[in-house]
Amino acid sequence: NAGVTQTPKFQVLKTGQSMTLQCAQDMNHNSMYWYRQDPGMGLRLIYYSASEGTTDKGEVPNGYNVSRLNKREFSLRLESAAPSQTSVYFCASVGMSSYNEQFFGPGTRLTVL
Amino acid sequence: GQSLEQPSEVTAVEGAIVQINCTYQTSGFYGLSWYQQHDGGAPTFLSYNALDGLEETGRFSSFLSRSDSYGYLLLQELQMKDSASYFCAVNFNKFYFGSGTKLNVKP
Repeated sequence: NAGVTQTPKFQVLKTGQSMTLQCAQDMNHNSMYWYRQDPGMGLRLIYYSASEGTTDKGEVPNGYNVSRLNKREFSLRLESAAPSQTSVYFCASVGMSSYNEQFFGPGTRLTVL
Repeated sequence: GQSLEQPSEVTAVEGAIVQINCTYQTSGFYGLSWYQQHDGGAPTFLSYNALDGLEETGRFSSFLSRSDSYGYLLLQELQMKDSASYFCAVNFNKFYFGSGTKLNVKP
């Protein structure tokens, strides 16, 4: 099992550009999450998907959109990147058998110039 | 959002015991989790308390008291590899994290 995978690992954007961060899990988990982590800080929830076909806003959804493409994949889109979106982005998933344990991907390090 | 307070940094020596506290101002959550994150890495799950009391997992233990709005992570027999950041998080089926405690283990 690969667990949770994220692409790309690193990305540099110019202000106003758009991009999509990809996340996939192979653990048959129902719930998936997108977080951002700024230097020296904790993780803040951007969006989450409790099950295939549903998505909900987290703490900091402005400037982002998500798509739960199927049970495996949950993507995060920045339509018009801003320097304030420079951060490390983590995707995570949770299964029904261990609903409290999140499994995290390796992260995407995004810089917006 | 939810407010979870943790000390920003703790230093301890190898072999010692250290306690990392988490105080919160929320209610109605399913449980309190703890995660470890090494520099440049992803968070990894350590422990979870659904109920009040102590949960033990090897060298790590976690405690929750809902009446005191308080939890802690206890690390015993500290090793150099325990140097990392530790985060508490509350579970509402979505998760809210504290700002983290950086643990420095010295020889």
